[in-house]
Amino acid sequence: NAGVTQTPKFRILKIGQSMTLQCTQDMNHNYMYWYRQDPGMGLKLIYYSVGAGITDKGEVPNGYNVSRSTTEDFPLRLELAAPSQTSVYFCASSYAGETQYFGPGTRLLVL
Amino acid sequence: KQEVTQIPAALSVPEGENLVLNCSFTDSAIYNLQWFRQDPGKGLTSLLLIQSSQREQTSGRLNASLDKSSGRSTLYIAASQPGDSATYLCAVRLTSQTGANNLFFGTGTRLTVIP
Repeated sequence: NAGVTQTPKFRILKIGQSMTLQCTQDMNHNYMYWYRQDPGMGLKLIYYSVGAGITDKGEVPNGYNVSRSTTEDFPLRLELAAPSQTSVYFCASSYAGETQYFGPGTRLLVL
Repeated sequence: KQEVTQIPAALSVPEGENLVLNCSFTDSAIYNLQWFRQDPGKGLTSLLLIQSSQREQTSGRLNASLDKSSGRSTLYIAASQPGDSATYLCAVRLTSQTGANNLFFGTGTRLTVIP
């Protein structure tokens, strides 16, 4: 099992550009999550999904969108990148509400 | 809103020392509490998960305790090793949010074990 994989590992965006962060898990987990981690801060939940076709907002959803068309994939979309979105983004998955397994993260810099 | 605090923010200890990391939370109605390890530039690795009905969990040299009534958890690391150097995060999951399964994270304690 590869676990949770994320691409890209690092990306630089210009203000106003858009991009999609990819996340895939091969553990057949029904729950998937997107977090952001800012320096010196704890992780904050952006969006989560409890199954294919079902998504919901977390604590900091503004400026982001998600979709969940399959169990395996949970992409995160940034439509109009802003400097405030400079962060490290982590995708995670779990079976129901139990232990979450995290991907290696995507480091995003918006200039 | 659940607030999770970890003190100290950073800790340095000599190799072989036993140590305790602290985590406190404001809302005692939690479903479970989890301790994670994060290495620089890496994702999080789950270390221990304690259900709200449990008092402690052990894995190797690690022991995590939970006191819901006081809103505290501790992570005890025995006989520390340089390989234990990392940031340790605690996270609580609430029961009160219907359908939500998000974790509220602390800001972490950065541990350095000096050889």
